[in-house]
Amino acid sequence: GNSVTQMEGPVTLSEEAFLTINCTYTATGYPSLFWYVQYPGEGLQLLLKATKADDKGSNKGFEATYRKETTSFHLEKGSVQVSDSAVYFCALILYNQGGKLIFGQGTELSVKP
Amino acid sequence: DTGVSQDPRHKITKRGQNVTFRCDPISEHNRLYWYRQTLGQGPEFLTYFQNEAQLEKSRLLSDRFSAERPKGSFSTLEIQRTEQGDSAMYLCASSPKQGSGLGADTQYFGPGTRLTVL
Repeated sequence: GNSVTQMEGPVTLSEEAFLTINCTYTATGYPSLFWYVQYPGEGLQLLLKATKADDKGSNKGFEATYRKETTSFHLEKGSVQVSDSAVYFCALILYNQGGKLIFGQGTELSVKP
Repeated sequence: DTGVSQDPRHKITKRGQNVTFRCDPISEHNRLYWYRQTLGQGPEFLTYFQNEAQLEKSRLLSDRFSAERPKGSFSTLEIQRTEQGDSAMYLCASSPKQGSGLGADTQYFGPGTRLTVL
């Protein structure tokens, strides 16, 4: 079946540290890949996306590259800030299956000053 | 563009009662999705509509759950005879029509309705 697996959290980093959150997927077709972010007390927001292999999505200093050969979409940021503290969700969409999002379990990031 | 709105934001009910949630999508979005999120987990798909047609339902959606989108605009999700296991955050999302050039692959989420069943 189709699924998304993320590294377990919580992840605790100091401000200005480098961030990597691993995400791998299993899909029967050619998915589009997404990172959503959920700040404390707020709804899910799209952070970035990539629609085909080797595409790089980027936003707010975050990046992720769609790697078909390793079925991965790891999230990276060179220098995190306290305001990046949130829960991050990796997700995929398969349009031949209705376009529903399939999410990973989420990774909580806590950035300390 | 006021975003996706959901009402109520919080609902506390007793086991066995019926509850109904409402979702208002972004106008001109023809697809509407319902998801359920439990603590520490990612959202799980429940059902989706294209205009007023309900095109898919998850196996998670038992007979006690029903969703409607009567005029292709707002949607309601009803849970009958609630159980403690129904306690969760219920999320609604909408997306534009495919081919509209508005990013049809992007779903925009509302703030959710948190249900607590006592």
